[in-house]
Amino acid sequence: EADIYQTPRYLVIGTGKKITLECSQTMGHDKMYWYQQDPGMELHLIHYSYGVNSTEKGDLSSESTVSRIRTEHFPLTLESARPSHTSQYLCASSEQNEQFFGPGTRLTVL
Amino acid sequence: GQSLEQPSEVTAVEGAIVQINCTYQTSGFYGLSWYQQHDGGAPTFLSYNALDGLEETGRFSSFLSRSDSYGYLLLQELQMKDSASYFCAVRGDSWGKLQFGAGTQVVVTP
Repeated sequence: EADIYQTPRYLVIGTGKKITLECSQTMGHDKMYWYQQDPGMELHLIHYSYGVNSTEKGDLSSESTVSRIRTEHFPLTLESARPSHTSQYLCASSEQNEQFFGPGTRLTVL
Repeated sequence: GQSLEQPSEVTAVEGAIVQINCTYQTSGFYGLSWYQQHDGGAPTFLSYNALDGLEETGRFSSFLSRSDSYGYLLLQELQMKDSASYFCAVRGDSWGKLQFGAGTQVVVTP
């Protein structure tokens, strides 16, 4: 069973707030990813990391930022949330050809 | 441009066989993956094909033809619990980044 965790699972906040979505994995994987997924839609890669101090923007432009100070931790931050940020955010880590996904954070910005 | 095409929905009865096709056009190709996602859940890995041919894992099989830029996922002996969305995803580089298709919703009826 994959050991990758995301908190919070659900978050409702007001416009303009700063938020950080947490993602941690205990598998020692170097590669980690953040995806954005709207209901019934495809997953869009917004950030990825190949190891400590390595972060890159994904295919979908995002106003969020990420950091990778420790192997196991890959938080995503929104400095000023807007209603357009309402979505599900999925974190994943990978080994070889398999990506392991966390349970996701469902974010609603009012 | 880059794209992955798969049907949006397939409906079948319990015990039947379903084939979900995926055609892709990407700038790089290392392999084709399939993921299953139940409503409200996280995607889970099903299979990965790097070489042409059929890979079988229990009731699920996956096929790849690199020359045709085409693959499929075959679900046999359908069960109600197989009702979910199925995503094909292309691994486009050596680092393991995935580009996902829009997903196929499989509905299994009694």
